[in-house]
Amino acid sequence: GIQVEQSPPDLILQEGANSTLRCNFSDSVNNLQWFHQNPWGQLINLFYIPSGTKQNGRLSATTVATERYSLLYISSSQTTDSGVYFCAVEMRSSNTGKLIFGQGTTLQVKP
Amino acid sequence: GAVVSQHPSRVICKSGTSVKIECRSLDFQATTMFWYRQFPKQSLMLMATSNEGSKATYEQGVEKDKFLINHASLTLSTLTVTSAHPEDSSFYICSARDRWGTRGRYIQYFGAGTRLSVL
Repeated sequence: GIQVEQSPPDLILQEGANSTLRCNFSDSVNNLQWFHQNPWGQLINLFYIPSGTKQNGRLSATTVATERYSLLYISSSQTTDSGVYFCAVEMRSSNTGKLIFGQGTTLQVKP
Repeated sequence: GAVVSQHPSRVICKSGTSVKIECRSLDFQATTMFWYRQFPKQSLMLMATSNEGSKATYEQGVEKDKFLINHASLTLSTLTVTSAHPEDSSFYICSARDRWGTRGRYIQYFGAGTRLSVL
């Protein structure tokens, strides 16, 4: 089956720093979403980005579908950015819409 | 954005009892909903795909008789953990996909999760 790998697994930043999270996937995809899971477990949609580049405030994401990776950029990090970031993909061969999740990147932003 | 409501948020039950978790799409219709399970400090694992008006599709290794799924309408799917045991304790999360999409995008929206503790 499709493999979804995220790096780094853990990241500690000082407030104000920038970071880049990476998601590699092993097959062609219809859908790729980035999520932030807050300390209470709620998954927050950050981006729907099967290809191209998007920006939303301090966050931006780029997916290069032909090279099978996606990047999530966090600029000027804040303590509220702490949590787990997941990348999830839907295989192009799938007609069910099910998402396969990576193992996540745990981000801790220190004041 | 679209909202998925999941209830209850937390449940504590005795071993041997059954627990029902509801997942509702509040402002869109979902022919397909998904149920995930997450253990502490791990990723989400898909348990099953819930299809409106038909049987659920379970992932390999998931006991369909243990985790009963019903998707009776376009806005409601339920997961029942039958005869729960301590090893069923986990965080269960549902998601739903808008049946019509938006400009060709079929974004999945997630509920807030249910934390199940079986004593």
